[in-house]
Amino acid sequence: QVQLQQSGPGLVRPSQTLSIACVISGDSVSSNSAAWNWIRQSPSRGLEWLGRTYFRSKWYSEYAESLKSRIIINADSSKNQFSLQLSSVTPEDTAVYYCARDDFTSGATLDYWGQGTLVTVSS
Amino acid sequence: DVQMTQSPSSLSASVGDRVTITCRASQSISRYLNWYQQKPGKAPRLLIYATSNLQSGVPSRFSGSGSGTDFSLTISRLQPEDIATYYCQQSHGTFGGGTKVEIK
Repeated sequence: QVQLQQSGPGLVRPSQTLSIACVISGDSVSSNSAAWNWIRQSPSRGLEWLGRTYFRSKWYSEYAESLKSRIIINADSSKNQFSLQLSSVTPEDTAVYYCARDDFTSGATLDYWGQGTLVTVSS
Repeated sequence: DVQMTQSPSSLSASVGDRVTITCRASQSISRYLNWYQQKPGKAPRLLIYATSNLQSGVPSRFSGSGSGTDFSLTISRLQPEDIATYYCQQSHGTFGGGTKVEIK
């Protein structure tokens, strides 16, 4: 059974960098048949897919066009985790952030989710 | 960006009713359309992927159809545990605004 456990600060100051990690159990971040996503949800913006990373002989990352200048998603195989970094945050980035998996074996997208991390951007 | 428009934004139905939610894409997305169920305080749960594939463990009363720009999620016989908000999503892209399903 795949489980995703998120960790990160709940409060980030404006203009700073938001960082959240997602630790994977029951699968490998380096799996050739999975991809690892970040999604966020806020009352004003609804659900928003942020990006994903995956390993196919080398690491690839894909990002939502609107965030490309501020977002980095990377993986740490030694810790079996992946992380989100979002720079230059504003109050508009206040949201619940989720990590989730794509399973390329079945074709299922976002089939397992983390518990969510509420991040508030405020001074 | 492809825009995803769901309708209705909310509905009220009786237990046992057939319920249909529609999702329209602003341009063709082939069959790259997924449906999620979300209950308050919980992460979304995948119900249907690639338009019509039922995710493992999801009751067979849920089904999906469509292609191109028009898609639908159907609950054949609404159950009390189906009370939730439902979202469509273009794979690795935009989510719809959600449909809140309540019991009449």
